[in-house]
Amino acid sequence: SQQGEEDPQALSIQEGENATMNCSYKTSINNLQWYRQNSGRGLVHLILIRSNEREKHSGRLRVTLDTSKKSSSLLITASRAADTASYFCATDEPYNAGNNRKLIWGLGTSLGVNP
Amino acid sequence: DARVTQTPRHKVTEMGQEVTMRCQPILGHNTVFWYRQTMMQGLELLAYFRNRAPLDDSGMPKDRFSAEMPDATLATLKIQPSEPRDSAVYFCASGLVLDANTGELFFGEGSRLTVL
Repeated sequence: SQQGEEDPQALSIQEGENATMNCSYKTSINNLQWYRQNSGRGLVHLILIRSNEREKHSGRLRVTLDTSKKSSSLLITASRAADTASYFCATDEPYNAGNNRKLIWGLGTSLGVNP
Repeated sequence: DARVTQTPRHKVTEMGQEVTMRCQPILGHNTVFWYRQTMMQGLELLAYFRNRAPLDDSGMPKDRFSAEMPDATLATLKIQPSEPRDSAVYFCASGLVLDANTGELFFGEGSRLTVL
């Protein structure tokens, strides 16, 4: 079942603008990950943020995590046409004896960056 | 440059035929996942293995799908008989999963299946 819900479903911006995507989830988590998928390709890992972290940066990417609201946001600054892709969040539930470790995926945000 | 390799990249077949998709995970990864992606359902988990042992295949239609991992370098997903509704992109992903943490997953480029 899908736990993460990305918002918006689709986003269209101009090159140079910032793009913000949000992810909400339902249960407590161990970590949250963001992935990018270019058209016709496999998913590529972007960044992982642990439940005890609030913000993380990687190049033009900034991820925040608010565990009290069960939400995360991915900000891409100074977007480029090459950032056009779908972006997915995935959550890793805390380990317990009853669950096998696997990621729970959202349905993704489709980002279009116009040159 | 370590990567997950999937074959075939594209497969067109007729309803009722057997389809086998193969995946070579990254050496040293202990977990292999099979996903199916469609526009309507998104990314669905079909089955996964930890240290080659099947952990969960509840996402698979068991009457026609089977997943195996005969050795550490090969995972297979078989559909027999195939149906038009099986048309989708099938992804294999591998990663290192430890008790406290699921780390990043590495995806293959996918196998695009069309069943006529």
